[in-house]
Amino acid sequence: AQSVTQLDSQVPVFEEAPVELRCNYSSSVSVYLFWYVQYPNQGLQLLLKYLSGSTLVKGINGFEAEFNKSQTSFHLRKPSVHISDTAEYFCAVSKNTGNQFYFGTGTSLTVIP
Amino acid sequence: DADVTQTPRNRITKTGKRIMLECSQTKGHDRMYWYRQDPGLGLRLIYYSFDVKDINKGEISDGYSVSRQAQAKFSLSLESAIPNQTALYFCATSDPGLAENYNEQFFGPGTRLTVL
Repeated sequence: AQSVTQLDSQVPVFEEAPVELRCNYSSSVSVYLFWYVQYPNQGLQLLLKYLSGSTLVKGINGFEAEFNKSQTSFHLRKPSVHISDTAEYFCAVSKNTGNQFYFGTGTSLTVIP
Repeated sequence: DADVTQTPRNRITKTGKRIMLECSQTKGHDRMYWYRQDPGLGLRLIYYSFDVKDINKGEISDGYSVSRQAQAKFSLSLESAIPNQTALYFCATSDPGLAENYNEQFFGPGTRLTVL
């Protein structure tokens, strides 16, 4: 079975500082990996995804993530955050043969002016 | 994303009432999902459907039922609502037929349900 661990439930960071949101997963099979963002009072939208190929994936709004198979991680990074990045971020995995998504518990990013 | 709509957006009800949440999509996707979101627990899968004749239980199906009326419509029912079903409910769709979108899920705006 798959599981997803987001190690930090809350991450406060000052505006224009870098940020890393951590995600680790467990799976005995190959997986697809996703990061979703949920802005206040909105649904989830896709930030980026890893299906295959280059382990460094670039997404929208300046975010990127790196797939590390040996460490079973898919950490999300941004070199300089903006106030508008304040949101809840969810990591998710799916088997590459797969039917279901498994979501982490979310990380609340708060950007401080 | 206006391609996936949910009604109602907010609902307050009383314990024991029957509630139906509706989801419609114009994306033409075969696969549809219902999740609930609770603080600190992330999203948990309630039910999913791969086509009109296919319904599957997810992680937390007890107390819920679903109906796939058409490719575009997937409804979630609470037969007798209880307070611990107070949550934010999301509908999602996906289309595994498109390689670049494989397994990406597209979410509706959510329904906030409060059971008193």
